[in-house]
Amino acid sequence: GDSVTQMEGPVTLSEEAFLTINCTYTATGYPSLFWYVQYPGEGLQLLLKATKADDKGSNKGFEATYRKETTSFHLEKGSVQVSDSAVYFCALIDFNKFYFGSGTKLNVKP
Amino acid sequence: DTAVSQTPKYLVTQMGNDKSIKCEQNLGHDTMYWYKQDSKKFLKIMFSYNNKELIINETVPNRFSPKSPDKAHLNLHINSLELGDSAVYFCASSQDRGYHGYTFGSGTRLTVV
Repeated sequence: GDSVTQMEGPVTLSEEAFLTINCTYTATGYPSLFWYVQYPGEGLQLLLKATKADDKGSNKGFEATYRKETTSFHLEKGSVQVSDSAVYFCALIDFNKFYFGSGTKLNVKP
Repeated sequence: DTAVSQTPKYLVTQMGNDKSIKCEQNLGHDTMYWYKQDSKKFLKIMFSYNNKELIINETVPNRFSPKSPDKAHLNLHINSLELGDSAVYFCASSQDRGYHGYTFGSGTRLTVV
């Protein structure tokens, strides 16, 4: 069946460091891929998405590229800020069903 | 102007009680969902309704019963609450079964004592 696997956290970085959060997936169809962010005490917010292979989603300095050959959708940001501290979820939708990864907590220290 | 709103935000109740959580969306979406998030942040789908019709009903205890009076509302009723029901419950909505993503509410933190 379909699934999403993302790196375990927490990930702790200093401000202005480069961020990568790995995400790989398995899917039987042609999924759309998403990254969601959850700030403390809040619901999940859509951060970016990609609907087909080689698409790049981007928002607020975050980027992720849909790589069908490696079944990956890694999240990157060139320079993180303290305000980026949150839990990040990779997700896919396939045949009308959504699958979330287990979440990766990011702590950014000043 | 909240797109997906759920009430209450916090709910503390005793074991054995019956409680409801309400959800409303003003986005005109045709599908609504209930998710449970445990203490380790793991998200599990519970139910999904499309235009008031139940389309996803995952393996949850039958103490949990969703009700959708119209496509803008999806309520969750829980009977005979147990300690293990303590979690954060999120409502979400989407158009076109979610291929453009979901919009989540801010969550209801349920604590059963």
